[in-house]
Amino acid sequence: ETGVTQTPRHLVMGMTNKKSLKCEQHLGHNAMYWYKQSAKKPLELMFVYNFKEQTENNSVPSRFSPECPNSSHLFLHLHTLQPEDSALYLCASSGGQGYTGELFFGEGSRLTVL
Amino acid sequence: AQSVTQLGSHVSVSEGALVLLRCNYSSSVPPYLFWYVQYPNQGLQLLLKYTSAATLVKGINGFEAEFKKSETSFHLTKPSAHMSDAAEYFCAVSERDNTDKLIFGTGTRLQVFP
Repeated sequence: ETGVTQTPRHLVMGMTNKKSLKCEQHLGHNAMYWYKQSAKKPLELMFVYNFKEQTENNSVPSRFSPECPNSSHLFLHLHTLQPEDSALYLCASSGGQGYTGELFFGEGSRLTVL
Repeated sequence: AQSVTQLGSHVSVSEGALVLLRCNYSSSVPPYLFWYVQYPNQGLQLLLKYTSAATLVKGINGFEAEFKKSETSFHLTKPSAHMSDAAEYFCAVSERDNTDKLIFGTGTRLQVFP
């Protein structure tokens, strides 16, 4: 098993659809993150969960709804998205013994909103 | 507030030439500093990190970076570029007492020509 696994890798959805992105980490970490990566823009931190509790919501629109049922799993529920939400969504995890701040990323979910 | 500036959104070098990617940071407290690499259609992978030990940090794939407090810089270098080094490189900073937040630069795309 790789450290951080994201599914699906690619997703195409209409503006009225509801879909979810899934992230799973096998590293024993305490914290999990969602980042948005759009073309020609810096990486945007969306949400942070620490021990299943949300500790950061970076002014993300409510059409993005995160869920963290345990320290190993993180979801991003999507509904009534806009075309500008098309991007690569990256999940990351961190924490554990000797933690010094680095994040471990999944390979991302490429979302296209039509 | 922390911030990271990467000078040059695109850098082109010939195979075998020196690679130099520039990163300057701003932090009110001693920082942790990181370089990540992202290959096409993949997530970010940690290249190296500075956490307060030696100021010259060696990473994977022959890359290294030097922390220079007086210049608030953490430039990434590799003596001899290889075609496989073509990717996007991100510098990032976090605070020692707030390691949950990793702030990324806007990235530098490295092209390597034969």
